[in-house]
Amino acid sequence: DQQVKQNSPSLSVQEGRISILNCDYTNSMFDYFLWYKKYPAEGPTFLISISSIKDKNEDGRFTVFLNKSAKHLSLHIVPSQPGDSAVYFCAASDSAGNNRKLIWGLGTSLAVNP
Amino acid sequence: GAGVSQSPSNKVTEKGKDVELRCDPISGHTALYWYRQSLGQGLEFLIYFQGNSAPDKSGLPSDRFSAERTGGSVSTLTIQRTQQEDSAVYLCASSMGGRSQPQHFGDGTRLSIL
Repeated sequence: DQQVKQNSPSLSVQEGRISILNCDYTNSMFDYFLWYKKYPAEGPTFLISISSIKDKNEDGRFTVFLNKSAKHLSLHIVPSQPGDSAVYFCAASDSAGNNRKLIWGLGTSLAVNP
Repeated sequence: GAGVSQSPSNKVTEKGKDVELRCDPISGHTALYWYRQSLGQGLEFLIYFQGNSAPDKSGLPSDRFSAERTGGSVSTLTIQRTQQEDSAVYLCASSMGGRSQPQHFGDGTRLSIL
């Protein structure tokens, strides 16, 4: 039972255009969300996060949007660059007790074509 | 280096053997996490340490799995009597400890059980 879902296994975008990666969640207790990027044979690298008290967070070319009523978040990368080609994971956590664990989606493989 | 270091990077062993995986977190990071990623799956939480204690062991799949952390630094994940389904990439992450602190990952140990 996937609590965090990334329904698009892959996405292909032209260099310079916008990449939009989507993530849906089912647990209404989730209140903190993160995006990670992963290259082959490397560990995930933190990109950007958002708390449920916000609906948008921006860091350079990366913006995350959160729609709590729809239980949906998205990562926008603009402009996309070939070096952005990687697998992108959405992760979430809730504030219960000592909870620090992240619940992960299965990832979306992004290919940015020159 | 300054990142999370995991060893070995690859481990091949026979079914039934015990294995130990090691994680050196980023210096000063009080929180340490173990995850695993099986083929085609997302990251699965195993255990979380705050200092030397483990407030959340809920992800350990069976009593064959155990982990310890000493001196608030290095952690070892031990799998006894390995089974083929234990084959996965085992990832370690560390953070400053607060929920809003992103987890920084090592490159993982790829474990293959023959």
